[in-house]
Amino acid sequence: ETGVTQTPRHLVMGMTNKKSLKCEQHLGHNAMYWYKQSAKKPLELMFVYSLEERVENNSVPSRFSPECPNSSHLFLHLHTLQPEDSALYLCASSQDVGQGAYNEQFFGPGTRLTVL
Amino acid sequence: TQLLEQSPQFLSIQEGENLTVYCNSSSVFSSLQWYRQEPGEGPVLLVTVVTGGEVKKLKRLTFQFGDARKDSSLHITAAQPGDTGLYLCAGDGETSGSRLTFGEGTQLTVNP
Repeated sequence: ETGVTQTPRHLVMGMTNKKSLKCEQHLGHNAMYWYKQSAKKPLELMFVYSLEERVENNSVPSRFSPECPNSSHLFLHLHTLQPEDSALYLCASSQDVGQGAYNEQFFGPGTRLTVL
Repeated sequence: TQLLEQSPQFLSIQEGENLTVYCNSSSVFSSLQWYRQEPGEGPVLLVTVVTGGEVKKLKRLTFQFGDARKDSSLHITAAQPGDTGLYLCAGDGETSGSRLTFGEGTQLTVNP
């Protein structure tokens, strides 16, 4: 496997379910990100991890819970989501959290989430 | 809050035509990145521009960073159906550190 992989690619869940999204990067990067992409909206940054430590949490509801066990893996745990949470969830990695070339994002293919 | 406005939002052209996509802000960015996203996939980085006035070429794509580092443009010459996709610009604020600000994107369709 190369680049950034995400599983599952598609997920349908009810509002009372608990599910997890998984992301793995094979690039040796130090930073990993979760983004939410909704129709007609800019990409929304949700969480940033640098060397397994969370460095940014952009007022994301607590029903989204990230976990970064090591610098290659990132999870997003989902619990009691709402229909408006339906979106494409993208994972990305970058060399570091610095500026310029350091934070060029390498994205995974995303998980298309539908909340019923 | 830094905002990036992209225009046009949608563009449908015929193969062989030229086009320009714009990315504008009232904020200064230390660098700006362009990505292309195809259906069912994540965005893929095309280029990063860092210096005001910088021009970078990638085959038929020409990227320019404004002198004041507040805007950027992407020009495609002789567009091909393979250029179809969502083009996103993302700015790296001078003090934003880890956070990139993304524009809403320009959806380009090149018809054969």
